[in-house]
Amino acid sequence: AQSVSQHNHHVILSEAASLELGCNYSYGGTVNLFWYVQYPGQHLQLLLKYFSGDPLVKGIKGFEAEFIKSKFSFNLRKPSVQWSDTAEYFCAVTLGYSSASKIIFGSGTRLSIRP
Amino acid sequence: GAGVSQSPSNKVTEKGKDVELRCDPISGHTALYWYRQSLGQGLEFLIYFQGNSAPDKSGLPSDRFSAERTGGSVSTLTIQRTQQEDSAVYLCASSLGSGRGTGELFFGEGSRLTVL
Repeated sequence: AQSVSQHNHHVILSEAASLELGCNYSYGGTVNLFWYVQYPGQHLQLLLKYFSGDPLVKGIKGFEAEFIKSKFSFNLRKPSVQWSDTAEYFCAVTLGYSSASKIIFGSGTRLSIRP
Repeated sequence: GAGVSQSPSNKVTEKGKDVELRCDPISGHTALYWYRQSLGQGLEFLIYFQGNSAPDKSGLPSDRFSAERTGGSVSTLTIQRTQQEDSAVYLCASSLGSGRGTGELFFGEGSRLTVL
């Protein structure tokens, strides 16, 4: 069965530090991969997505993620975090079908940025 | 409306009562998803609809949970004989459901359910 693992439950960084949040999935076929973010008091919103092509994808607010198929990973990165990046981050995967299918989320990583 | 709308935003009920949660997706979105988010937990998949059909109900925790979607639009999640462990935020999301829009979910604000 599909599953998504986010091993970092809570990450605490100082402003300007570099960020990498891990995401691994278990499925051998074609997948679509996503990162969603939930800022305090707000609803979940899409940060970035990978469907095909260049494995390095760029999203909003300076975030990027790299799809490494051999490692079943889709880690999220940002070179220099800001206090406003404090949020919960969720990795998600869905099968690479052309129509809607089940979308599985990881357990989330809470990111706290010290000003 | 412009976004996904969920109601009620908050519901407090007594153990054993039935509750209905409503989701109004973005117009034109054919796919609709229900998730449950408990404190400190991730998003637990419950069910998704493509049109009015639910191809995957595997996430529904028990037979006390059911969902329907009518007219390819509004969906209702019903929890019968609520238990305290049902307390959570129930999130609804919709998407285009095809092509490059697949998997790009637009979430509502959620319905916070508290079972006393």
